[in-house]
This record gives sequence, C-alpha cells and structure tokens, in this order.
Amino acid sequence: TAGITQAPTSQILAAGRSMTLRCTQDMRHNAMYWYRQDLGLGLRLIHYSNTAGTTGKGEVPDGYSVSRANTDDFPLTLASAVPSQTSVYFCASSAGTGEANYGYTFGSGTRLTVV
Amino acid sequence: AQRVTQPEKLLSVFKGAPVELKCNYSYSGSPELFWYVQYSRQRLQLLLRHISRESIKGFTADLNKGETSFHLKKPFAQEEDSAMYYCALMQGAQKLVFGQGTRLTINP
Repeated sequence: TAGITQAPTSQILAAGRSMTLRCTQDMRHNAMYWYRQDLGLGLRLIHYSNTAGTTGKGEVPDGYSVSRANTDDFPLTLASAVPSQTSVYFCASSAGTGEANYGYTFGSGTRLTVV
Repeated sequence: AQRVTQPEKLLSVFKGAPVELKCNYSYSGSPELFWYVQYSRQRLQLLLRHISRESIKGFTADLNKGETSFHLKKPFAQEEDSAMYYCALMQGAQKLVFGQGTRLTINP
C-alpha cells in the first residue's frame, strides 16, 4: 500500500546515545515533515523539507537534525539524546497547496523513550 | 503569530448526542484549515478540509472568519467516533500548525 513507512516502531534509548529515525514515502510528494506528539501540546513541527536538497527548522528543532538527499527519504537524527526527547515522532508528507492540497499523509509513528 | 487553539483537552458525550469540538485560530491571511483524527493505535488521518466543504463520517466544519473559528460538529455521536481530534492551520507554504488536540470519548 502506498504511503509513508517509519522505522523503528518503538525504541528505548540511553541518554547521550545517538539515533536515526527513518522515514520513507513512495508517493513522490515534494514536501516532508517531522513532528513530535506530546500529551497536552499536540503536534509540534521539528524540521521540514519542501523539496529534495532543502530543509528548514520548525518550532522545536534543537537537538535534532535532518537530511533530504532524495525525494523519498527524510531521516531524523538525534545526536545525543536527552530524556525530554521522549515522545512519539511522526513523519508526514504533502503534495501541494491550494485546491491540490489534501493535507498531509502521516506515517504510523515511532515511540521513543530516552532513559 | 499563527496559532491554533483547541480549548478542550477532553470531551465526553453520550452516544446519540450532538458533538462539537471547538477550534479557534489566529492568522492574518486567508486561512486553510483542516481537521485530523487519530483513532486508537492508528496513524493520524485527514478528516476534513474547509476548502472542500465536505461532510465526512457525518462530521462537518464551517469556517467562521468573524469568530476565527472552525468548530467540528456531528449531530448524533457514535461510539466509533471516540478518538483524538486535531485542528490544523496551513502556515505559509505547506506547513501545518496543529492545535493541542481534543480527546473525544463517546459513552454508550
């Protein structure tokens, strides 16, 4: 089924360790996003990419980095994890704006616990 | 700054009763608004777009620019409507700003 695949589904990570959350889409969407979901705070944008080769900072970028080497992949890296990065991470993609904008397609999420 | 506010973190109604999930926004331009839903153990999925004026699963949402609101309504709640609901505003080119979310519980 076409869509977005995230891996891993869940992970327990020791503080100070690094980790890369993977995200792959097969819809040829130009734009991709990483959000974190926290109770009472909703979804907050970490980083985004409007097209392959470009990235931008969202609302909560500190402690995270991304790359967009091609259209399909948008990995999120935590260089040195801290407990406050415990969250559920969602990757999303979108095709366009205006009438062509059907909103985002989301992945199934990665539940990360930093201990 | 663009902002989306969902004032109710939790909302509980009985099956068959009307449902209204509130959403207010602040945006200087012409807003594009969405409702997303996340059922238990499932990924977020698009429920409604204001631009299409559609009704999905019995839900409707009308954009009220005077009140800067985009409340989600359903006349008769069903148990399968229990989920987390997020209102979202398109900020600039293709970036969505989400509200804090409302957890809706439909009691039998």
